[in-house]
Amino acid sequence: EVQLLESGGGLVQPGGSLRLSCAASGFTFSSYGMNWVRQAPGKGLEWVSVISSSGGSTYYADSVKGRFSISRDNSKNTLYLQMNSLRAEDTAVYYCAKPFRWNYFDSWGQGTLVTVSS
Amino acid sequence: DIQMTQSPSSLSASVGDRVTITCRASQDMSNYIAWYQQKPGKVLKLLIYAASTSQSGVPSRFSGSGSGTDFTLTISSLQPEDVATYYCQNYNSAFIMWTFGQGTKVEIK
Repeated sequence: EVQLLESGGGLVQPGGSLRLSCAASGFTFSSYGMNWVRQAPGKGLEWVSVISSSGGSTYYADSVKGRFSISRDNSKNTLYLQMNSLRAEDTAVYYCAKPFRWNYFDSWGQGTLVTVSS
Repeated sequence: DIQMTQSPSSLSASVGDRVTITCRASQDMSNYIAWYQQKPGKVLKLLIYAASTSQSGVPSRFSGSGSGTDFTLTISSLQPEDVATYYCQNYNSAFIMWTFGQGTKVEIK
């Protein structure tokens, strides 16, 4: 059974940094690109970033480009999201999501809440 | 950017009713559309991919249709356990980005 467990969320001041982690199990992590998707309180879903299976290619939503960095450690089956220069509008639950046929997401974590506030 | 306009934003229907949710894309998406179900406190669930293919284990009352710019998720006979918010999603291969609709909250009347 695929399991994705996010951690690292919390309260951070505007301009601060935070690193999220997603521990994966139940599938061959190194064979899949992985994504981060977020959901602001009471709002819809927003794709944030994707990383290829090897980690060699990364892509970002315009809203986070230049501030967020996605990475992975295939030896630890773990996905990361380094978030810098955080803004109030980055407040959201952050989910890691496993792709299905690259285009879709067939497994999701429970999410970790990031709150950016002074 | 590609916009995904989902409607209605919410609906209330009776058990056994046929429910239809639509998603309109701002440009031709071929059939790169998926539908997801989000229940409070539960993990997001993929229901339909490639516009009309049901994910394994999804009840047969859920179906998807459409192509190009207009897509539909249908629940043929609404059940109490279907209370949730539903999202459409597309993938843009030209820009390597994924976009979600605004969501449709389904409640029981």
